[in-house]
Amino acid sequence: GAVVSQHPSWVICKSGTSVKIECRSLDFQATTMFWYRQFPKQSLMLMATSNEGSKATYEQGVEKDKFLINHASLTLSTLTVTSAHPEDSSFYICSARLGQGSRFTYEQYFGPGTRLTVT
Amino acid sequence: GQNIDQPTEMTATEGAIVQINCTYQTSGFNGLFWYQQHAGEAPTFLSYNVLDGLEEKGRFSSFLSRSRGYSYLLLKELQMKDSASYLCAVLDSNYQLIWGAGTKLIIKP
Repeated sequence: GAVVSQHPSWVICKSGTSVKIECRSLDFQATTMFWYRQFPKQSLMLMATSNEGSKATYEQGVEKDKFLINHASLTLSTLTVTSAHPEDSSFYICSARLGQGSRFTYEQYFGPGTRLTVT
Repeated sequence: GQNIDQPTEMTATEGAIVQINCTYQTSGFNGLFWYQQHAGEAPTFLSYNVLDGLEEKGRFSSFLSRSRGYSYLLLKELQMKDSASYLCAVLDSNYQLIWGAGTKLIIKP
C-alpha cells in the first residue's frame, strides 16, 4: 500500500515553455502533499506544502507565481513550472502523507520523481 | 533555527558494519525518520524512532537518544546494493519534516 506515482518521469522542454507534473496517491487519500526539488549531489529541498482544497504554502525563496501548485483532490496534486529556464532543470519529487494521528500518517510516501531538463 | 547534521560521505567494505550518525536541533520533536535514496531515485522509508532506544529491522537498526538530540543508523553485513545516500529527517512540533543533507555511503568490495 501507500503508492505514489508521478508523471512524467522525465521531460525535456524548451526555455520559456511551461511543464506540468502530476502526483497521484494510488491507494490512499493524501490530505497533504509535498513538492521537493533536488539538484545533483544535494539533499531534498522542500518547495511547498499543499493541502487538498486550499492554497499551497511555499517555502522561502520559492516563487509561487513560477511554480503553480494545485491540489484539487485527495489523490492528485500538480506542479506547473511556468516559463521554464535552464536553471529550473532539476529532479522534482512529490510526496504524500495521510494526515494526523500516528507515525504512519506522518510518514511521507514518495513518488518516483520527475527529471526536468530545460534547454 | 533548525539544524540536522550528518556526515557528508562515508566509505565501508562489503560485509562490514557501518554507523551513520545524525544530530539534530529542532523546534519540538515528534519522531525521527531514516530514508534511503539511490542515485536518481526517490527516497524510500527505512525506519522511524520516537522513543529512546534501538529499533532493529533485519540488517538495519536505528537508535535514538532524545536528550542528546542524536540518532544513528546501523547497517550490518553490508552489500554493494547498500551504496546510496541515507537521509535523516526530524518531525518537528508542527509535524513538518526537517531534512538533513544526507550521507553518501560508498561500499567497496
